[in-house]
Amino acid sequence: GDSVTQMEGPVTLSEEAFLTINCTYTATGYPSLFWYVQYPGEGLQLLLKATKADDKGSNKGFEATYRKETTSFHLEKGSVQVSDSAVYFCAGGGYNQGGKLIFGQGTELSVKP
Amino acid sequence: DAGVIQSPRHEVTEMGQEVTLRCKPISGHDYLFWYRQTMMRGLELLIYFNNNVPIDDSGMPEDRFSAKMPNASFSTLKIQPSEPRDSAVYFCASRGTGSTSGNTIYFGEGSWLTVV
Repeated sequence: GDSVTQMEGPVTLSEEAFLTINCTYTATGYPSLFWYVQYPGEGLQLLLKATKADDKGSNKGFEATYRKETTSFHLEKGSVQVSDSAVYFCAGGGYNQGGKLIFGQGTELSVKP
Repeated sequence: DAGVIQSPRHEVTEMGQEVTLRCKPISGHDYLFWYRQTMMRGLELLIYFNNNVPIDDSGMPEDRFSAKMPNASFSTLKIQPSEPRDSAVYFCASRGTGSTSGNTIYFGEGSWLTVV
């Protein structure tokens, strides 16, 4: 069945370090891909998305590129801040997924000053 | 533009009591989702609706859980009777259909349920 797999956390970085959170998907067709972020005590918020191969989603310094050949959508940021500490969820979905999104298990990021 | 609105935000109840969680999706959205989030199991899709019709309820854990969507602007998730293992954050989410919204799902802030 369809699935999204992301790297396990927690990930701990120092401020201004480079961030990569890996995400790969297995899905029927070519779903849209998303990164959501969840800050403590809040719901999930859309961070960025890409709807087709080679699209790059970007927001707040985060980027991810839809790689069809490797079925990946890795999240990157060049210089993280303490305020980026949160849980990050990769997700995919589209017509072939019946209108719903398949979520990864989430990766907790902790950024230390 | 109002987002997905959930109530109550926090609820503490005793085991055996009925719990009703409420959700108002974003106006114009035709999909509505109920998720549950726990430390042990992460984010789980319980049930989702399209145009007020339940499409997939395979994630509903057992008969104690039920969900309804009587109209396009309101849905409920009910647990009867509640048990301590139902303690979790319950999220409602919605999405529209079409090129402008794509497949983006928008989440409410969650209902934090504690069953003692």
